[in-house]
Amino acid sequence: EPEVTQTPSHQVTQMGQEVILRCVPISNHLYFYWYRQILGQKVEFLVSFYNNEISEKSEIFDDQFSVERPDGSNFTLKIRSTKLEDSAMYFCASSEDRGYGELFFGEGSRLTVL
Amino acid sequence: EDQVTQSPEALRLQEGESSSLNCSYTVSGLRGLFWYRQDPGKGPEFLFTLYSAGEEKEKERLKATLTKKESFLHITAPKPEDSATYLCAVKLYTGNQFYFGTGTSLTVIP
Repeated sequence: EPEVTQTPSHQVTQMGQEVILRCVPISNHLYFYWYRQILGQKVEFLVSFYNNEISEKSEIFDDQFSVERPDGSNFTLKIRSTKLEDSAMYFCASSEDRGYGELFFGEGSRLTVL
Repeated sequence: EDQVTQSPEALRLQEGESSSLNCSYTVSGLRGLFWYRQDPGKGPEFLFTLYSAGEEKEKERLKATLTKKESFLHITAPKPEDSATYLCAVKLYTGNQFYFGTGTSLTVIP
């Protein structure tokens, strides 16, 4: 069964360092998303991406965040200068259809900022 | 302000003891309501989509229903392997994002 894959599964970094989280969405999906979940809190939307550009972003997704689809398969989230409060589980998701399609999530990348 | 609220926050059931989880929403222009299961340290796993009031979906011991203001996830004769956090999310006609509730943590005791 097709699945969304994410790497790394866990990353520990020092405050102020840059981090890149990688995702391979399901191959025939067209819409890509990043969500995050701080421990014990709800899943929060960061950004959606379609046709090689950001289609929507939340207030959380400020200038320190960026997304890219560098080739036909990978979808990346970059955090330029990490802060302690960026510590969270980051989930990549993809959807076949913007309108009615459900999201399929990866297993997540746990980011710990020290 | 759009809101998605789930109750209870946590639920402990004996194996075989049926119950229901609630997801109430106050949003404008609901396109769909989605149920997910999340195991500890894992990503949400899709269960159901409901689009209109009165709709029902079933999968094994789970049945999801939808009204104009809330959705229920009924679990019949649960087993320990049903222990997980159950999340509901709504998608609106405007925008791309899904709005998640805080989830119900279900523990089924053998």
